[in-house]
Amino acid sequence: DVKVTQSSRYLVKRTGEKVFLECVQDMDHENMFWYRQDPGLGLRLIYFSYDVKMKEKGDIPEGYSVSREKKERFSLILESASTNQTSMYLCASTGGGSYEQYFGPGTRLTVT
Amino acid sequence: QKEVEQNSGPLSVPEGAIASLNCTYSDRVSQSFFWYRQYSGKSPELIMSIYSNGDKEDGRFTAQLNKASQYVSLLIRDSQPSDSATYLCAVRKNQGGKLIFGQGTELSVKP
Repeated sequence: DVKVTQSSRYLVKRTGEKVFLECVQDMDHENMFWYRQDPGLGLRLIYFSYDVKMKEKGDIPEGYSVSREKKERFSLILESASTNQTSMYLCASTGGGSYEQYFGPGTRLTVT
Repeated sequence: QKEVEQNSGPLSVPEGAIASLNCTYSDRVSQSFFWYRQYSGKSPELIMSIYSNGDKEDGRFTAQLNKASQYVSLLIRDSQPSDSATYLCAVRKNQGGKLIFGQGTELSVKP
């Protein structure tokens, strides 16, 4: 079974802090994705990566950056957290010729 | 027009009935289609994928794809209260592995 893990289930940060969200998958997947999910807005793609050290902007990259130094790990960085970044953050991965995305458990981030 | 559209619901069905969830998509070049189930406060869980026209069955679930009409549906037979969740439809276009998600349909199965 594919296993995608995220560093925290719940996180509370203050406005202006730098925030790191980590995602690790154990299936040697090439592709990894970061989404945020908000009521009424659905799942929105922030960034994705098709390979190590490679990144592509999704639909809402503003205020975020990413890092992929190793194939199994994809990090989302909030450079200066703001209250409008309070959300559920979901990581997903896919690979091996399949496009089925498998999600981690999510991180519920609250910025106060 | 949204790229992937679903009725938000809630869709309410009695236990044991068939639940029918529908999804339409706007881009004819869409290649692959997925249904996810999401319980409240949890992350989406893949139920089924379908790539060609017709029906695909897996246990109590059947996915139906009609590319000419640009819709994909999910039927849940013998619905159980544990099926109560939000169901997300996702579509892959021809741009690598990116998926476009609908906003989801909330299903409630009443005992």
